Amino acid sequence: GAVVSQHPSRVICKSGTSVKIECRSLDFQATTMFWYRQFPKQSLMLMATSNEGSKATYEQGVEKDKFLINHASLTLSTLTVTSAHPEDSSFYICSANTRDRGAYEQYFGPGTRLTVT
Amino acid sequence: QKEVEQDPGPLSVPEGAIVSLNCTYSNSAFQYFMWYRQYSRKGPELLMYTYSSGNKEDGRFTAQVDKSSKYISLFIRDSQPSDSATYLCAMKVGYQKVTFGIGTKLQVIP
Repeated sequence: GAVVSQHPSRVICKSGTSVKIECRSLDFQATTMFWYRQFPKQSLMLMATSNEGSKATYEQGVEKDKFLINHASLTLSTLTVTSAHPEDSSFYICSANTRDRGAYEQYFGPGTRLTVT
Repeated sequence: QKEVEQDPGPLSVPEGAIVSLNCTYSNSAFQYFMWYRQYSRKGPELLMYTYSSGNKEDGRFTAQVDKSSKYISLFIRDSQPSDSATYLCAMKVGYQKVTFGIGTKLQVIP
């Protein structure tokens, strides 16, 4: 099966600092990567969609200057939370798919729990 | 009205019971219907998918889609304590973004 990894799995940072989260597709080339945020007892909310080599498309209400996404290669996407604040504390999950497989197939990473103090 | 409605539960059942999980949706353009299982503090894991209407069975799991009623279901037979997790329904149009339900928390009691 297709494996997506995320690093780190958990991070604690101070308010005002920036945090980078990596998402890698380990055994396939990801045409598209997605970044989600999940608050407790809520569903996954899509933040942005990125295709390799092009700018990310952000969902309404997501600040593109605060959540910087870089999809530099077919196996790596990064999410940088800039000037993090306590309200950014959440569970961030990436997923990836490839047009080599079915359109329904979206593979999720294990998630990164961000805590901003 | 949310695009996808799902009862968050929690749903508690005894081991061995048949579990029925459901979602309704409003967007008639949805083509792919998926069920994900998410354990606490983990990423979602794809359980089953169905394209358009119909049934699909995989082991103890059966997924049903009724596009005329905009209603999808996941049945778990002979439920086990290891099935305890949050189950998210999800749906999409082609390669567009996936829209998730809020998830139903299931607890199977030994």
